[in-house]
Amino acid sequence: AQSVTQLGSHVSVSEGALVLLRCNYSSSVPPYLFWYVQYPNQGLQLLLKYTSAATLVKGINGFEAEFKKSETSFHLTKPSAHMSDAAEYFCAVRGSNDYKLSFGAGTTVTVRA
Amino acid sequence: EPEVTQTPSHQVTQMGQEVILRCVPISNHLYFYWYRQILGQKVEFLVSFYNNEISEKSEIFDDQFSVERPDGSNFTLKIRSTKLEDSAMYFCATGTGFDEQFFGPGTRLTVL
Repeated sequence: AQSVTQLGSHVSVSEGALVLLRCNYSSSVPPYLFWYVQYPNQGLQLLLKYTSAATLVKGINGFEAEFKKSETSFHLTKPSAHMSDAAEYFCAVRGSNDYKLSFGAGTTVTVRA
Repeated sequence: EPEVTQTPSHQVTQMGQEVILRCVPISNHLYFYWYRQILGQKVEFLVSFYNNEISEKSEIFDDQFSVERPDGSNFTLKIRSTKLEDSAMYFCATGTGFDEQFFGPGTRLTVL
């Protein structure tokens, strides 16, 4: 079975500061990993995905994530936070023989002016 | 850009009533999913559907839940006899296979 753990339910950053959201996965098979963002009262939008190609994955809105097998991690970063980045972020995993996504508990990002 | 749509956006019902949540997938997608998110909790998988049958379901998806594609386009989730604990945001997602899933905006179900 696959699962992810997101460390930190809330992250507060200053505008222009680094955003770092942590995600660790557990998987018995090579995983597919995803980061989704959810803005207030909206659905889930894909930020980026890892599907066993490059370990450093670039996504939309300046986000990127690095797959580290040795650390079983897939942390999400953005060098400079913008006010529009305030949202909830979900890490998700799917096994290579699986279709369903298993989500982490989510991390709410607040951006201070 | 094609997107998944869901109706209604908000459904209020009385406990014990039946509800049907509807989803219109992206046109070339063949894999369909329902997830739900109870307020303040994580997004949970309910069921996946492919080739007109359920391919996987979670333990949440008990006999009171059912899914179908009644007209080959819409993908529906039916809850036969709603309970208070069914109150949640229900998301439809669709995909072409093992690649990413595209999520709809969700239906907020409130059971009174």
